[in-house]
Amino acid sequence: DSGVTQTPKHLITATGQRVTLRCSPRSGDLSVYWYQQSLDQGLQFLIQYYNGEERAKGNILERFSAQQFPDLHSELNLSSLELGDSALYFCASSVTGQMNTEAFFGQGTRLTVV
Amino acid sequence: DQQVKQNSPSLSVQEGRISILNCDYTNSMFDYFLWYKKYPAEGPTFLISISSIKDKNEDGRFTVFLNKSAKHLSLHIVPSQPGDSAVYFCAASATRETSYGKLTFGQGTILTVHP
Repeated sequence: DSGVTQTPKHLITATGQRVTLRCSPRSGDLSVYWYQQSLDQGLQFLIQYYNGEERAKGNILERFSAQQFPDLHSELNLSSLELGDSALYFCASSVTGQMNTEAFFGQGTRLTVV
Repeated sequence: DQQVKQNSPSLSVQEGRISILNCDYTNSMFDYFLWYKKYPAEGPTFLISISSIKDKNEDGRFTVFLNKSAKHLSLHIVPSQPGDSAVYFCAASATRETSYGKLTFGQGTILTVHP
């Protein structure tokens, strides 16, 4: 158990819908990262928050948004869903803003868009 | 644009032998490299890392080698054990960039260690 909690574990929804994925970081970790893993792909960096503020942005679509709340949990909002958005979405957390040995991943949320 | 590539989708090894997983990168700004291991239904777990100022880092059965001129790194597992069977991801970071929190991952290599 990495200490990073992601909910829900599985999500099936229809095209055009909107979903929210939730991540609770490890106790004491200030930084949250979101990654997307599509079929047969490596993990693609989406966005990073550090202590409530956006720190870094990757290839995140405009239809996607995220935020980190005062209690440090984070939510990733995906809207106008398309079939191609089906993927595993991972959240990771670390104490610092650096994604290195200190980062711990959650189990992921598997999103299926039908 | 695949900046980190793991060209072998899978590798099969006998228990007790050496496993060698390879990774190539194209971005010369990358200066920190990591290997993650992932079991089914779990998130990736950090395994070992290496900074570009080194060419080798060892941790128990795991050794990572970095060849900067070839933009190539490899993970050696000796001896391999059945419990090492997992997907191994290579990742790289450009710590001098403003988006230093970002890791770029390879596609992963499925390692199977047979008893």
